[in-house]
Amino acid sequence: ETGVTQTPRHLVMGMTNKKSLKCEQHLGHNAMYWYKQSAKKPLELMFVYNFKEQTENNSVPSRFSPECPNSSHLFLHLHTLQPEDSALYLCASSQEYRGRGGYTFGSGTRLTVV
Amino acid sequence: AQTVTQSQPEMSVQEAETVTLSCTYDTSESNYYLFWYKQPPSRQMILVIRQEAYKQQNATENRFSVNFQKAAKSFSLKISDSQLGDTAMYFCAFMNPIIQGAQKLVFGQGTRLTINP
Repeated sequence: ETGVTQTPRHLVMGMTNKKSLKCEQHLGHNAMYWYKQSAKKPLELMFVYNFKEQTENNSVPSRFSPECPNSSHLFLHLHTLQPEDSALYLCASSQEYRGRGGYTFGSGTRLTVV
Repeated sequence: AQTVTQSQPEMSVQEAETVTLSCTYDTSESNYYLFWYKQPPSRQMILVIRQEAYKQQNATENRFSVNFQKAAKSFSLKISDSQLGDTAMYFCAFMNPIIQGAQKLVFGQGTRLTINP
């Protein structure tokens, strides 16, 4: 148990589908993040939430819609995706003020858009 | 904006050897944090070691140590007595701390390290 749990582990979806990725942390952290990891590219920060409030959106297309109902849960809603959106989506959490210790990551959701 | 560069896409060494992974970064800040993360085939990113820029002493964690050269903006990772379980992608990361709010990690491109038996 890593403390950050992501589901599903794998997801295959068509371009017209709607799906959601889920992230849950059991560490009492109050900041949560979505990163996109594509082959041969650095991890890209997508969204940042601090105390349930979105504090950053790194010019992510609107076909990705985050939701953070509380400090323990983070969702990424997906709709009308493109094949280039296929990637590993990583969720992470950290403790504000003590985030200097780095993040705790989940194991990611491997997304394939067909 | 801060950038992190890892110039070695892949490395391979024999078990028990010592290996050094390179990382350089660019920032105008004087206070920041640097990290090395490991991502094995299980995909989970695991924190290996961290360094606070205001500390001159290089961080060490068992077989893992860093060579932090602040003036050169260099942050290399040395793995001693390498083990098969060290096989993974290794990411160097930079964090610019702020007083309030969430802290953002900026990652390098990663180095794929293979330890051969």
